[in-house]
Amino acid sequence: GQNIDQPTEMTATEGAIVQINCTYQTSGFNGLFWYQQHAGEAPTFLSYNVLDGLEEKGRFSSFLSRSKGYSYLLLKELQMKDSASYLCALMDSNYQLIWGAGTKLIIKP
Amino acid sequence: IAGITQAPTSQILAAGRRMTLRCTQDMRHNAMYWYRQDLGLGLRLIHYSNTAGTTGKGEVPDGYSVSRANTDDFPLTLASAVPSQTSVYFCASSESLESDTQYFGPGTRLTVL
Repeated sequence: GQNIDQPTEMTATEGAIVQINCTYQTSGFNGLFWYQQHAGEAPTFLSYNVLDGLEEKGRFSSFLSRSKGYSYLLLKELQMKDSASYLCALMDSNYQLIWGAGTKLIIKP
Repeated sequence: IAGITQAPTSQILAAGRRMTLRCTQDMRHNAMYWYRQDLGLGLRLIHYSNTAGTTGKGEVPDGYSVSRANTDDFPLTLASAVPSQTSVYFCASSESLESDTQYFGPGTRLTVL
């Protein structure tokens, strides 16, 4: 079966850096996704990793290690608007997304 | 361009009633999905469609049905609602099942009493 784990909640300071980890177990793998979801809103796509390594997009970066079943999302120069839930999801062998429960990130001034 | 629209925004429903949640996309995407999101749980796939005329079951399909008569519309029907179907329902679409990005609608908050 498949399993995804990520911390329930994290707190960070405006201007700082935060790393949100995601570990997974799966028998089939077609990519690892990160989505952002503000309270009461729909998830929006942030990043996609299918090969090992780091993908950088402005203030956000995502890392994947397939051998370790591990990914992280790195957010730099945190802004108050980054307060949201961050959802880790893996695409299984049937191209269906299996979602983690999400990490609620609280940014303090 | 609206992207994906869902209706209604929210609904309170008596148990046993039939309800259809509507979803329309204007991006000409082939694949569409219905998820439910509950507190403390990840998004769970209910049903999906690879292309117009075909549908498939996701992780939690029981009590729900879908149809895909054309590319743009993907309604979700609860034949006889139960309180455990109280949830936020999101419709999403992507160019294909293998696409790297799914685009989500604004969601429907459903309460079954």
